[in-house]
Amino acid sequence: AQSVTQLGSHVSVSEGALVLLRCNYSSSVPPYLFWYVQYPNQGLQLLLKYTTGATLVKGINGFEAEFKKSETSFHLTKPSAHMSDAAEYFCAVSEVPSGGYNKLIFGAGTRLAVHP
Amino acid sequence: GAGVSQSPRYKVTKRGQDVTLRCDPISSHATLYWYQQALGQGPEFLTYFNYEAQPDKSGLPSDRFSAERPEGSISTLTIQRTEQRDSAMYRCASSLVAGSSYNEQFFGPGTRLTVL
Repeated sequence: AQSVTQLGSHVSVSEGALVLLRCNYSSSVPPYLFWYVQYPNQGLQLLLKYTTGATLVKGINGFEAEFKKSETSFHLTKPSAHMSDAAEYFCAVSEVPSGGYNKLIFGAGTRLAVHP
Repeated sequence: GAGVSQSPRYKVTKRGQDVTLRCDPISSHATLYWYQQALGQGPEFLTYFNYEAQPDKSGLPSDRFSAERPEGSISTLTIQRTEQRDSAMYRCASSLVAGSSYNEQFFGPGTRLTVL
């Protein structure tokens, strides 16, 4: 069965500092991997995804993540944090979709705080 | 519509009452998902629809939970005889259907259900 572990339920960084949110997954088949962000009172928004091809994927708002199969990891990074990055971030995994069906398995989430 | 909408945004009910939550997906989207998100956890898959068909109900916690999508558009999630453990955020997402390729899920803002 697939599962996702996000290390650290809360992460706090200074504005301008590196953001690193950790995600490890378990999957018996090549996974699809995702990072979603949730701002207060809004729905989950896709930040980036890995399906096939290049293992370093770039997303919106300057975020990127690297798929490392040997480490079963998909950590999210951003070189310089901005106050507007404060939100909750979810890592998710799914199997290769069949018939357009793509069930997502989410981690518990990491709440990112950015302080001046 | 422009995005996925859900109603009500907040629902408080007493234990034993029935509740119905509504999801209005993006108009061109054939696939619709329901997720349950307990406090401090990531969303967990409940069920999904492909148009009006409901091929996977495996995530529904008990037979008190049911979902419909009779015309392949708007969907409702009904919880009968609610219990306090049903308190959670209920999220709806929709996506296009395109065979075996990946399609992004677009999430609504969720319905926060509190059972007293």
